[in-house]
Amino acid sequence: GAVVSQHPSWVICKSGTSVKIECRSLDFQATTMFWYRQFPKQSLMLMATSNEGSKATYEQGVEKDKFLINHASLTLSTLTVTSAHPEDSSFYICSFRGTSQETQYFGPGTRLLVL
Amino acid sequence: QQQVKQSPQSLIVQKGGISIINCAYENTAFDYFPWYQQFPGKGPALLIAIRPDVSEKKEGRFTISFNKSAKQFSLHIMDSQPGDSATYFCAASHSGGYQKVTFGTGTKLQVIP
Repeated sequence: GAVVSQHPSWVICKSGTSVKIECRSLDFQATTMFWYRQFPKQSLMLMATSNEGSKATYEQGVEKDKFLINHASLTLSTLTVTSAHPEDSSFYICSFRGTSQETQYFGPGTRLLVL
Repeated sequence: QQQVKQSPQSLIVQKGGISIINCAYENTAFDYFPWYQQFPGKGPALLIAIRPDVSEKKEGRFTISFNKSAKQFSLHIMDSQPGDSATYFCAASHSGGYQKVTFGTGTKLQVIP
């Protein structure tokens, strides 16, 4: 399958600061990106979906002004957690999708800890 | 609304045994059912997937059984090994729209020697 990278792999920040997470597809061009959040011992919950060059579509209950998504190109997407608070501490996972359901690949995740 | 229900929450199996994880879905528009394996601190990796036009798919030690009328599907891991110890998620998506994946609640599998 395709290789997806996330940077950073983990980040610790102070409450009130903003954190940017970068997701890159190294060998795959994708029109659609997904961002998931996973709390400890829980499942992956979809936060938002975006197509390259378009605004992201957020799931119910996810604050679009807090979680800024930029899908700059077919191989790069960023998630910015603005004014982070301790309750935003979680494991954030990106996913690229190609032309079919079979071509969806997940990144290794970014662990965010907000103090 | 939990659209994909998964059980059991945790499972302990002896090495060489069969691990069985069950899932049920509600949305009849789902037409693609993947299973993912996730190790601690890592992203999920696709293990095996099935479409509803077949009742069973086998890849190595991993088999998916699918019952369309009951809206249920299951993962069987034959000859389970300690290296299989991980969290397994069933999932579902449909071919319309963004084809976003809905995950089950997860099963933590531990294979003991």
